[in-house]
Amino acid sequence: DAGITQSPRHKVTETGTPVTLRCHQTENHRYMYWYRQDPGHGLRLIHYSYGVKDTDKGEVSDGYSVSRSKTEDFLLTLESATSSQTSVYFCAISEQGGTKETQYFGPGTRLLVL
Amino acid sequence: SQQGEEDPQALSIQEGENATMNCSYKTSINNLQWYRQNSGRGLVHLILIRSNEREKHSGRLRVTLDTSKKSSSLLITASRAADTASYFCATVFSGSARQLTFGSGTQLTVLP
Repeated sequence: DAGITQSPRHKVTETGTPVTLRCHQTENHRYMYWYRQDPGHGLRLIHYSYGVKDTDKGEVSDGYSVSRSKTEDFLLTLESATSSQTSVYFCAISEQGGTKETQYFGPGTRLLVL
Repeated sequence: SQQGEEDPQALSIQEGENATMNCSYKTSINNLQWYRQNSGRGLVHLILIRSNEREKHSGRLRVTLDTSKKSSSLLITASRAADTASYFCATVFSGSARQLTFGSGTQLTVLP
């Protein structure tokens, strides 16, 4: 998985609680992404980062925030989890060219919001 | 939605046969990428084709791109049981070069 780890790998939480997912890379790639995957929707981009402290919104950013204080770490926070945020979350990285290049994906985090 | 749409949604073939999956999109692209996802795993990049290219090969994979029809196809030749997976096309739209937009995928089952 190209030196990408996600933690936790599985999480069950209750509606209204905050949740933080972590993506860690050892590749020193500039770009990092958070996607969610739901049946029938493929992968949808939540937020991405193009450098330390440089982030931007994706297609489905409502209810999510991100932070990147170091090159290797990209955090995704659900401020107040809702059942609609039950999903599988994938982190991805790419080197210098962003979407002009291959994206490498982590193993995913399965989140269940009760 | 600008996302690519794969066709068919599901495909079942016998080992040794060829598998063809199609992807259509709506607006001009910078490039188009194909990814594979095995059950319960992350996505793995297969091939990238740029808007000025018409065909690319990688091992048993052949990808074509027709920008006039806004479509791409992925051909897997001499399929194996290990090719069983979901296959996604992902597009980078011109003017939005920082985002990959994924289709909903084709589930390929290769029967031994």
